Amino acid sequence: AQSVTQLDSQVPVFEEAPVELRCNYSSSVSVYLFWYVQYPNQGLQLLLKYLSGSTLVKGINGFEAEFNKSQTSFHLRKPSVHISDTAEYFCAVGISNTGKLIFGQGTTLQVKP
Amino acid sequence: DGGITQSPKYLFRKEGQNVTLSCEQNLNHDAMYWYRQDPGQGLRLIYYSQIVNDFQKGDIAEGYSVSREKKESFPLTVTSAQKNPTAFYLCASSIPPYEQYFGPGTRLTVT
Repeated sequence: AQSVTQLDSQVPVFEEAPVELRCNYSSSVSVYLFWYVQYPNQGLQLLLKYLSGSTLVKGINGFEAEFNKSQTSFHLRKPSVHISDTAEYFCAVGISNTGKLIFGQGTTLQVKP
Repeated sequence: DGGITQSPKYLFRKEGQNVTLSCEQNLNHDAMYWYRQDPGQGLRLIYYSQIVNDFQKGDIAEGYSVSREKKESFPLTVTSAQKNPTAFYLCASSIPPYEQYFGPGTRLTVT
């Protein structure tokens, strides 16, 4: 069965510092991988996705992620964060052709001035 | 603009009452989903539908019901059998197996 683990529940970081949010998954089949961002009391917004091809994926707001098949990881990175990046971030794995997603527990990114 | 709408944004009900949450999409997506979100627990799938007039239970379907009579609409009813209904409910749609698009959510409070 597929599962997703986000290794940090909270990540505090100072403004303009780099950040990495870690995500590991388990799956016995090919996967599709996603990162979403959620601001308070709002729905989820897609940051980026990996479906196939290049393992380095670039998304919106300066975020990128790298798919590492051997380590079953899909870590999210940003070289310099802003206060406005403060939000909840969710990693998700897609289950084949059903369209269903399995979500991690979420990581709260707290950007401090 | 294409997107997903959920109404209302906030909903208050008394214990023992059924309540229906609305979800509409104009993205022409075949699949639609309902999630429940509680603090610290991520998103849990309640029901999903891959085609009109068909739907499947997710991980936490007990106490909930859905219908899919139209491609654009996927309403969720929270019944009195749901023991802890207070939560943030999110609706999404997709063209499988690609990304899901989410609505703004409905926060339900039952007292």
